Formats: sequence, structure tokens, C-alpha cells
Amino acid sequence: DSGVTQTPKHLITATGQRVTLRCSPRSGDLSVYWYQQSLDQGLQFLIQYYNGEERAKGNILERFSAQQFPDLHSELNLSSLELGDSALYFCASSVEGSGGAINNEQFFGPGTRLTVL
Amino acid sequence: AQKVTQAQTEISVVEKEDVTLDCVYETRDTTYYLFWYKQPPSGELVFLIRRNSFDEQNEISGRYSWNFQKSTSSFNFTITASQVVDSAVYFCALSVGSGGTSYGKLTFGQGTILTVHP
Repeated sequence: DSGVTQTPKHLITATGQRVTLRCSPRSGDLSVYWYQQSLDQGLQFLIQYYNGEERAKGNILERFSAQQFPDLHSELNLSSLELGDSALYFCASSVEGSGGAINNEQFFGPGTRLTVL
Repeated sequence: AQKVTQAQTEISVVEKEDVTLDCVYETRDTTYYLFWYKQPPSGELVFLIRRNSFDEQNEISGRYSWNFQKSTSSFNFTITASQVVDSAVYFCALSVGSGGTSYGKLTFGQGTILTVHP
């Protein structure tokens, strides 16, 4: 158990809908990362938050947004869903040390499997 | 831009065979970290190892060993005496940073599916 929790585990919805995925980082971790794993694109970085602020952005669609709350949990919002958004969405967290986050191990949650029908 | 290539899409071995998973990376940064993660059939991503760009020492952990060669931009992973429980998808990943700026995002390779038959 990595200590990172994600809810829900599975989500089935229809095209055009909006969903929210939730992530609680490990205790003490300030950085949260979101990744998408699909058959087409593999594992891709979406976005990173550090202590409530957006830190880095990857290949995240405009239909997707995220935020990190004062209690450090994070939510990933996916709207106007398309069939191609079906994927496994991972959240990861890390402690950001003095050298920056690159040298910190990222602990991954179990993922949320999103199916868009 | 960074890139990680795992040329082996699938590898199939019989138990007790040794197997090496290849990873080649590209980056212009001089400071970077390399990682290996394991994704078993249950789906979670399990951290295996982290190596920084200034440490080219090979590492051994039980049946696992890693060979980092900057000259060839490779970070290969060997499983000795493979077991059925080693069957999983293995990902190599890269994280870069420079000038004190904090970057944490991982760039993953496409993964290698390892199947170990009894």
C-alpha cells in the first residue's frame, strides 16, 4: 500500500458527461501529480500541484482541469467526455525536498479506471 | 524534450531464466533521474529503483540489478532467475530538472510486458 488513495476505483459514464476523480496524497507529501494511462498514449503526465499551486502542465486537454485543496487532496475534473478519454488515471504524490521534486520517489495510487460509453 | 524508449514490447521467458529489459533515454539536461516501475496485473504502479545522473554505479537488489551507462544513455534492468510472480509490465521513466527549478513529472517509456512461464 503506497499510502495514496484514489476514489472511485471504477467509473462508467456516457459521452458528454463530466466526472471528478479524487486523490489523497501520502501524509506529509506536498506534491500531487496526475497521469493518464491509455492503450494509445501509454502513461502520460497531465499536471502537477505543489502545496495548492499548479507547478507543471503536461499534455492535459482543455476539457480537463485540476486543483489541490488546503488539506492537500486533489481533484481532477474531466468534462465533455469522449470515448477516447477512457483510461486509467493515476495520482501520485511525493515529498519535495531541498533539491526539488525530481529526486523524490513518486508514490502512485491504485488508479481510477474511467470508461466512457 | 525528453524521451524514453523501451524497444522490447513483449518478452516471454521460462521460469529461472535471466531476462534483461532495455531502456534508452534522451535528454539535454545534465541533472536527471531515472526510474523503473513495475505494474502487475492488479494495475498499481510499484516503484523499483531511482538513479541520478551523477551516479553510474550499478545496483543489485536481490534478483534485480540495474546497469546505468551514460555513454549509451541506457538504464537496463535485469531479473536473475525469473519467477512467475515477476510477470508484469515494466516501465522505465525519466525526470529532469536544472537551475534549481523543481520538476517532478515523469516521462515514461511505452513499457515492456514480461511474461514468465512456469
